[in-house]
Amino acid sequence: GAVVSQHPSWVICKSGTSVKIECRSLDFQATTMFWYRQFPKQSLMLMATSNEGSKATYEQGVEKDKFLINHASLTLSTLTVTSAHPEDSSFYICSAMGQGSYSNQPQHFGDGTRLSIL
Amino acid sequence: EDKVVQSPLSLVVHEGDTVTLNCSYEVTNFRSLLWYKQEKKAPTFLFMLTSSGIEKKSGRLSSILDKKELFSILNITATQTGDSAIYLCAVRAGAGSYQLTFGKGTKLSVIP
Repeated sequence: GAVVSQHPSWVICKSGTSVKIECRSLDFQATTMFWYRQFPKQSLMLMATSNEGSKATYEQGVEKDKFLINHASLTLSTLTVTSAHPEDSSFYICSAMGQGSYSNQPQHFGDGTRLSIL
Repeated sequence: EDKVVQSPLSLVVHEGDTVTLNCSYEVTNFRSLLWYKQEKKAPTFLFMLTSSGIEKKSGRLSSILDKKELFSILNITATQTGDSAIYLCAVRAGAGSYQLTFGKGTKLSVIP
């Protein structure tokens, strides 16, 4: 159980392109999803917290107009990197947490999306 | 600011060795501590610890939390090459918070 699917797994595109990444919880309903970014040899840095049906909460320093997050259903959240530039190249990972008391729910991670902007 | 520190940052051992990975934390309103294993892709969940002194065990892996001294350890016995990965420690803290603060990870390399 607790499978999170992230798609695509790898994207290479030209500078200026907008890229959409999907995160789906396959066998549970995720009231809360998280988007992380990971640079080489670094740990995961939380970008934003996404709650179904409401606006995402962005961490300090993360541009909300640059990284658009939509959590339209209990099983799907999307991250759109708008007008991507080479400095946006990174490994983006989503995680999802099911319903219930947050104190006994681990986050389950997708396989990540490697984004390379040329 | 919440802080999670893992040590060592990297470790090389031979197959069959036992290893202990450390995670210390300084957070406000601790809720739980989680261990993840990250190989080439995203982290996979290992353990979640909320109470002191209660060991969690899964096969050759075990973990325990000390809330008084603010640390946790992850033990791996009889290591195998498949245990090679980055092990991440994360802490959930704060009233009503779902967010995790991650340490930088310990890179474990198990050589035959």
